Amino acid sequence: GQQLNQSPQSMFIQEGEDVSMNCTSSSIFNTWLWYKQDPGEGPVLLIALYKAGELTSNGRLTAQFGITRKDSFLNISASIPSDVGIYFCAGLRADGLTFGKGTHLIIQP
Amino acid sequence: KAGVTQTPRYLIKTRGQQVTLSCSPISGHRSVSWYQQTPGQGLQFLFEYFSETQRNKGNFPGRFSGRQFSNSRSEMNVSTLELGDSALYLCASSLGPVSEAFFGQGTRLTVV
Repeated sequence: GQQLNQSPQSMFIQEGEDVSMNCTSSSIFNTWLWYKQDPGEGPVLLIALYKAGELTSNGRLTAQFGITRKDSFLNISASIPSDVGIYFCAGLRADGLTFGKGTHLIIQP
Repeated sequence: KAGVTQTPRYLIKTRGQQVTLSCSPISGHRSVSWYQQTPGQGLQFLFEYFSETQRNKGNFPGRFSGRQFSNSRSEMNVSTLELGDSALYLCASSLGPVSEAFFGQGTRLTVV
């Protein structure tokens, strides 16, 4: 199916820095989801967004559902070593779930 | 509440063999989806089952098949394995077809 455009593909940052990543699509979604995957494990749901314009936090993570319903953003503040992994966005609508290709986050101590 | 359980965690098979992977969804969830993940390819959708019926299918050859049982447990089968089938196979369960998906730990399949 259609892939979401997720960027950046990878990020090399210093511990303590803030991180931003986003997903865009030409289609409208009803729900946006953000997942994190550690090596060799399945993705874990971090944040779910249900309404256009919604801003939701989960600890140091903040995500927003774009006003146009075609995009979403994830921010991580004050990154720590355990934030390393692959972050996936996913858009949900009547025909199912569509995933972005992921953002690889690498943190240099 | 137990999460999504996939068995086995690791599997090594020879080219030409077939394999069956199992997924037990979260209790009460009736929708199960399967994904193939290889480096650089992201999550490739295989198929989705809801109430024992295949609801959606991705763009994979007929060697990949699945089914869902009345207790919502699901299996996927890959016949005539090829080297390129080596991947992490992930199962995700949802309450229904249009709700958040929760993933299992995956089955790492290596074809030699």
